[in-house]
Amino acid sequence: TQLLEQSPQFLSIQEGENLTVYCNSSSVFSSLQWYRQEPGEGPVLLVTVVTGGEVKKLKRLTFQFGDARKDSSLHITAAQTGDTGLYLCAGGMDSNYQLIWGAGTKLIIKP
Amino acid sequence: EAGVAQSPRYKIIEKRQSVAFWCNPISGHATLYWYQQILGQGPKLLIQFQNNGVVDDSQLPKDRFSAERLKGVDSTLKIQPAKLEDSAVYLCASSFTKFSGANVLTFGAGSRLTVL
Repeated sequence: TQLLEQSPQFLSIQEGENLTVYCNSSSVFSSLQWYRQEPGEGPVLLVTVVTGGEVKKLKRLTFQFGDARKDSSLHITAAQTGDTGLYLCAGGMDSNYQLIWGAGTKLIIKP
Repeated sequence: EAGVAQSPRYKIIEKRQSVAFWCNPISGHATLYWYQQILGQGPKLLIQFQNNGVVDDSQLPKDRFSAERLKGVDSTLKIQPAKLEDSAVYLCASSFTKFSGANVLTFGAGSRLTVL
């Protein structure tokens, strides 16, 4: 069974602080996607990483795919209240038509 | 481009009653997904359609859940009879292709079901 474990499950920090959340698996994925979900809305895709070791930046958000394509991290610099939400990772495999979802990290940024 | 439309946004029913949810995907998207998201958890795939055919329904509780996508465009998900544990948000998503490698899923806002 393929599993994606996200940590921490919950994180509450002050505006301006930095943070990192993780997405780990024992399985190898061909791609890893990160979504953000705000209350009352569906998840919205932030980024897709496909190459081991790949780093992508989206303004203050930095995403990294592990060299072995089993794990990924999301680093936020100088967090803002607008970053509040549920961050979900999802792993995809070329041999499979399904995305494997993590349980998410609930992030709260306090003003 | 218009997003994925879902209705109703909220529904409260008593156990053993029935409920139906509707989804209209992004125009031109061949693949449509129904997910169940219980509070505090990630989405769980219930069923995936490619055009009007079922690609994966392995996690759909077929004794009470049914879904159809007639004409390969919009879709309905039905629960009959509902149980307390069906309380969740039902998310519809669509994508251009069915291959997962770098698939981009666009989600609707979801339908929140409360079963009393």
